[in-house]
Amino acid sequence: DTGVSQDPRHKITKRGQNVTFRCDPISEHNRLYWYRQTLGQGPEFLTYFQNEAQLEKSRLLSDRFSAERPKGSFSTLEIQRTEQGDSAMYLCASSQARAGDTQYFGPGTRLTVL
Amino acid sequence: DAKTTQPPSMDCAEGRAANLPCNHSTISGNEYVYWYRQIHSQGPQYIIHGLKNNETNEMASLIITEDRKSSTLILPHATLRDTAVYYCIVRGISGNTPLVFGKGTRLSVIA
Repeated sequence: DTGVSQDPRHKITKRGQNVTFRCDPISEHNRLYWYRQTLGQGPEFLTYFQNEAQLEKSRLLSDRFSAERPKGSFSTLEIQRTEQGDSAMYLCASSQARAGDTQYFGPGTRLTVL
Repeated sequence: DAKTTQPPSMDCAEGRAANLPCNHSTISGNEYVYWYRQIHSQGPQYIIHGLKNNETNEMASLIITEDRKSSTLILPHATLRDTAVYYCIVRGISGNTPLVFGKGTRLSVIA
């Protein structure tokens, strides 16, 4: 068990560019969550998958954001036409679907939009 | 919105027990209490969770009041590495819901 991994750990981009982040969950975890955290705030939910199905999306997930989990394993989060307000830490968590499941978080990807 | 209330900050002397309180007066019978912590610039780390009985693991103890309206996370012998933001979260038993984080308690362990 190597834990949840995220790539890249840091990303600096210019406003208007597209960025894509990757999350590799703990193996055999079938639930995968994306959160966003801005400075001084707790993480906020963006979206979640069970296997390859995207089951819930937050109102925070604007139409510039898209997430996929094509084979039910790793997931990608893409932000199109980045804005300075997208600057944040993007966190991924995974869990095994069962009552009272525990989510385990990755180290996050810190995005800075210039 | 978060269903919990925590003090914004606390200090604790190194080697002493850190007792972090959490109020969750609207908790329902089918909701767990979870605790996570976040050390600066890292992802949140799971600590412990419980339903109504007290729980203990290698990291901490969780004491839940009999009416379940509040709980206390206890770190028995705090070290400098326990300095972090601690989040108390209420979440349904079904488990198919995201975690809703508040602002947590910033614990500073002082040498």
